[in-house]
Amino acid sequence: EVQLVESGGGLVQPGGSLRLSCSASGFSFSSYSMHWVRQAPGKGPECVSAIGTNGVTTYYGDSVKGRFITSRDNSQKMLYLQMNSLRPEDTAVYYCVNADAYQYWGQGTLVTVSS
Amino acid sequence: EVVLTQSPATLSLSPGEVATLSCRASQSVVTYLAWYQQKPGQPPRLLISDASNRATGIPASFSGSGSGTDFTLTISSLEPEDFAVYYCQQRRYWPYTFGQGTKLEIK
Repeated sequence: EVQLVESGGGLVQPGGSLRLSCSASGFSFSSYSMHWVRQAPGKGPECVSAIGTNGVTTYYGDSVKGRFITSRDNSQKMLYLQMNSLRPEDTAVYYCVNADAYQYWGQGTLVTVSS
Repeated sequence: EVVLTQSPATLSLSPGEVATLSCRASQSVVTYLAWYQQKPGQPPRLLISDASNRATGIPASFSGSGSGTDFTLTISSLEPEDFAVYYCQQRRYWPYTFGQGTKLEIK
């Protein structure tokens, strides 16, 4: 059974940093690109970042470019999202997603940016 | 980035009726279009990939059509569990973008 479990969310002040983690199991993690997708309260989802199988190729949405960094550890089947210079508009549930057709999503971790 | 516009924003129907949801892209995405269902407190659930291919385990009552800029999700006979929010997503260009959603509510 495919499982994606996010962790690391919480309350952080504007300008602060947070590191999200996603633990993957039930599939060949190293064979798939992975995405982070966020969803602000009452809004549609938004693709935040993408990372290729080898961890070298990365893409970011314009709203997070220069502030967020995605990485992966294939040996540990882990995906990461380092979020810096956080803003109130970054408040959302953050999901890790298997990029192969977006069939598999985690349950998400809530990030709240507020003073 | 590609903007997806979904209509209507809210659709009020009764169980057993047919639901037709629309998604229009600001530029051609060929058939790189997916549909999702989302219920409160849950992640989006993939229904349709590549405009018309049902995902694993999705009932035949769900069907997708379209290409280029205009797409449709049809639910042929609404069940009580089908009332939810539906999103379209394009995967032709990065960043992949989603529509703003159609809320399907019980009339």
